[in-house]
Amino acid sequence: GAGVSQSPRYKVAKRGQDVALRCDPISGHVSLFWYQQALGQGPEFLTYFQNEAQLDKSGLPSDRFFAERPEGSVSTLKIQRTQQEDSAVYLCASSLRRTASYEQYFGPGTRLTVT
Amino acid sequence: GNSVTQMEGPVTLSEEAFLTINCTYTATGYPSLFWYVQYPGEGLQLLLKATKADDKGSNKGFEATYRKETTSFHLEKGSVQVSDSAVYFCALIITSGTYKYIFGTGTRLKVLA
Repeated sequence: GAGVSQSPRYKVAKRGQDVALRCDPISGHVSLFWYQQALGQGPEFLTYFQNEAQLDKSGLPSDRFFAERPEGSVSTLKIQRTQQEDSAVYLCASSLRRTASYEQYFGPGTRLTVT
Repeated sequence: GNSVTQMEGPVTLSEEAFLTINCTYTATGYPSLFWYVQYPGEGLQLLLKATKADDKGSNKGFEATYRKETTSFHLEKGSVQVSDSAVYFCALIITSGTYKYIFGTGTRLKVLA
């Protein structure tokens, strides 16, 4: 596709529910990233994939958060037993390759509200 | 550790005014530096970047120079327009052992006609 797409754009979940957020990166991009952006803050790194390998998951806030990219393309971020503090915009980004000068292309984000 | 500090907003300017948004960083080594912009209702977009000391990134009339001595990457524009109203994020990239951005908290710019 032309850019990174994410779905759903908005998600409301009751506390304790599980949610799954989807990211479709730009075709051919080998690197994929998830960030969490709280209201009024900058994005914070959650996890990074190189193809299907999850190379860094140091930013995942708890074991309730799980990400996968089984075929090296589409990725899913799953949050189990959602809590109110999980409310944020979840951003996905992709990059053509892993070098310092290559920009990451961001999707529009999924706004998650936990009630 | 690695971090980025931006001036707090919001910044409100009249059209054609000069803009400076300050950004300083703390990092191991000399990371590439970036400015991203988020227009209302849109995703983050790369505005400009610099990959080494003394490099100047520029785009759409915006400029920023990578200053190693002051660990800074201030964003400037000589004459802002209403259409520049957005949130601006300074960021550095970590490529040792991982591959991720560290973002500042963002600075909201509002330009009045």
